[in-house]
Amino acid sequence: EPEVTQTPSHQVTQMGQEVILRCVPISNHLYFYWYRQILGQKVEFLVSFYNNEISEKSEIFDDQFSVERPDGSNFTLKIRSTKLEDSAMYFCASSWQETQYFGPGTRLLVL
Amino acid sequence: QKEVEQDPGPLSVPEGAIVSLNCTYSNSAFQYFMWYRQYSRKGPELLMYTYSSGNKEDGRFTAQVDKSSKYISLFIRDSQPSDSATYLCAFRDTGNQFYFGTGTSLTVIP
Repeated sequence: EPEVTQTPSHQVTQMGQEVILRCVPISNHLYFYWYRQILGQKVEFLVSFYNNEISEKSEIFDDQFSVERPDGSNFTLKIRSTKLEDSAMYFCASSWQETQYFGPGTRLLVL
Repeated sequence: QKEVEQDPGPLSVPEGAIVSLNCTYSNSAFQYFMWYRQYSRKGPELLMYTYSSGNKEDGRFTAQVDKSSKYISLFIRDSQPSDSATYLCAFRDTGNQFYFGTGTSLTVIP
């Protein structure tokens, strides 16, 4: 069964450093998403991506965040200058129609 | 008022019980209504999806939407220990932005 994959599973970084989280969506899906879940809190929508551009973004997705689909398979989330409060689980998801499939997540810890 | 309200629980039931999980919402732009299941340290998994008021059944799961009251429910019949997880309600607005509840933690005791 096809699945969304994410790398790395865990990332530890220093405050102020740039991180890139990688995702491989399901191959025939057209919509791609990033979400964040701070420990013990709800899943928060960050951004959706369709046809090589951002279609929606939340207030959380400020100028320090960017997304890219550099080739036909990968979908990345870049955080330019990480803050302590960026520590969270980051989930990638993809969908073709209404059914959205989530990856296993990347646990990011900013020290 | 929060856009989505969900009782975090925890909810503990004996095996075979009927479980009722609920969410309320305030945003009239919400058009699509979803329930996800999330096991510990895993990504959410879509269980049910609907866009209309009424009931939708899938096996032991029934999703209920009442748009007039802005209230959605998920019913689990004949609950099993493998149903033990966190259940998230989620909504999609007209602009393709998604909103999640905080999740209800469910434990089904054998």
